[in-house]
Amino acid sequence: EDQVTQSPEALRLQEGESSSLNCSYTVSGLRGLFWYRQDPGKGPEFLFTLYSAGEEKEKERLKATLTKKESFLHITAPKPEDSATYLCAVQGGTASKLTFGTGTRLQVTL
Amino acid sequence: NAGVTQTPKFQVLKTGQSMTLQCAQDMNHEYMSWYRQDPGMGLRLIHYSVGAGITDQGEVPNGYNVSRSTTEDFPLRLLSAAPSQTSVYFCASSLQGEGYGYTFGSGTRLTVV
Repeated sequence: EDQVTQSPEALRLQEGESSSLNCSYTVSGLRGLFWYRQDPGKGPEFLFTLYSAGEEKEKERLKATLTKKESFLHITAPKPEDSATYLCAVQGGTASKLTFGTGTRLQVTL
Repeated sequence: NAGVTQTPKFQVLKTGQSMTLQCAQDMNHEYMSWYRQDPGMGLRLIHYSVGAGITDQGEVPNGYNVSRSTTEDFPLRLLSAAPSQTSVYFCASSLQGEGYGYTFGSGTRLTVV
């Protein structure tokens, strides 16, 4: 059974204070690891897909990395508009299924 | 605008009532899924479809039915609503499934009293 654990549950940063979110996973045959952003009252918004250990992807202040057991979402010099819940999901043996973690709720203050 | 459209946005049901949550996408995506999101539990897969006429059960299928008569539509039916089905429901679609990011709708907040 695929499993995803995200930490911390909540994170409060000051504007400009860089940090990382963690996503640990176990999966039978990784097809892809996904990062999503979710704002209150809205559906998850796709950020990145990572396919294999060592892969990195960047988008503005966000950078996602992948190892064989975990993924990190690095946030560099965050701004208040980066405040959201960040979700990690894995796609394993069945291409049509995603297994999600419970998310990290990020708050960035001035 | 292209995307996944869910209706209604909010719904209150009495225990035992039935209803259908609608989901439509205009991106010609083959894969469609229904998830529910509950506090502290993350998104859990209810049912999914890999194409018109093909559906299968996810992690938490009990109490829900689906059908996929067209590529665009994937309705979720609650047969006899229970308070345990109070949740936020999301529909998602993907072009092929493997490695492609799923596009999510904005959700339906359902309360069963």
